[in-house]
Amino acid sequence: DTEVTQTPKHLVMGMTNKKSLKCEQHMGHRAMYWYKQKAKKPPELMFVYSYEKLSINESVPSRFSPECPNSSLLNLHLHALQPEDSALYLCASSQPSGSDHEQFFGPGTRLTVL
Amino acid sequence: AQSVTQLGSHVSVSEGALVLLRCNYSSSVPPYLFWYVQYPNQGLQLLLKYTSAATLVKGINGFEAEFKKSETSFHLTKPSAHMSDAAEYFCAVRPNFNKFYFGSGTKLNVKP
Repeated sequence: DTEVTQTPKHLVMGMTNKKSLKCEQHMGHRAMYWYKQKAKKPPELMFVYSYEKLSINESVPSRFSPECPNSSLLNLHLHALQPEDSALYLCASSQPSGSDHEQFFGPGTRLTVL
Repeated sequence: AQSVTQLGSHVSVSEGALVLLRCNYSSSVPPYLFWYVQYPNQGLQLLLKYTSAATLVKGINGFEAEFKKSETSFHLTKPSAHMSDAAEYFCAVRPNFNKFYFGSGTKLNVKP
């Protein structure tokens, strides 16, 4: 199984809502990533978990809160978002060691903040 | 610091023509390099990767890339474009265990 799944596929939320994005992989990868991608731009790294511990936070606003409950799951909790946070949110996973290992990406969650 | 630069944000070719997408890297040591493709509203899919085993790397869908250290390049090619190749292509480098850097992307348009 070389698949990364993400739910939901689409999400519309108001600025006062609380929602969560979910990501799952069963490839035994011990590094998992959240990216934000705006239209016509490359993916922008937000967070990296390595062995279920947060290893990189790219100065992301606190209204985004990541969580890695176990080695297969990654969540992104959203609260009090702004319209400019509307984007495609991508989850990825990889082996944490060995720079030759590629990332496997999920299909993304299209988030719209009203 | 390692990074990649993609020359040409848009490339347009005719169906059946050669596809050439350019990627140059900046690195003090041989990097590990990747090409990904992204179709609209989808995630990124790996086309191929360079891991120093061979300088000419063959990937999926008929794509290949050649690592040229003297030119610090890793250009992506395909001999004959197909309509289904129209997508956004990203070159990426992985300088350390947990961080990938992506180029700005090249949108490939294939004309009938």
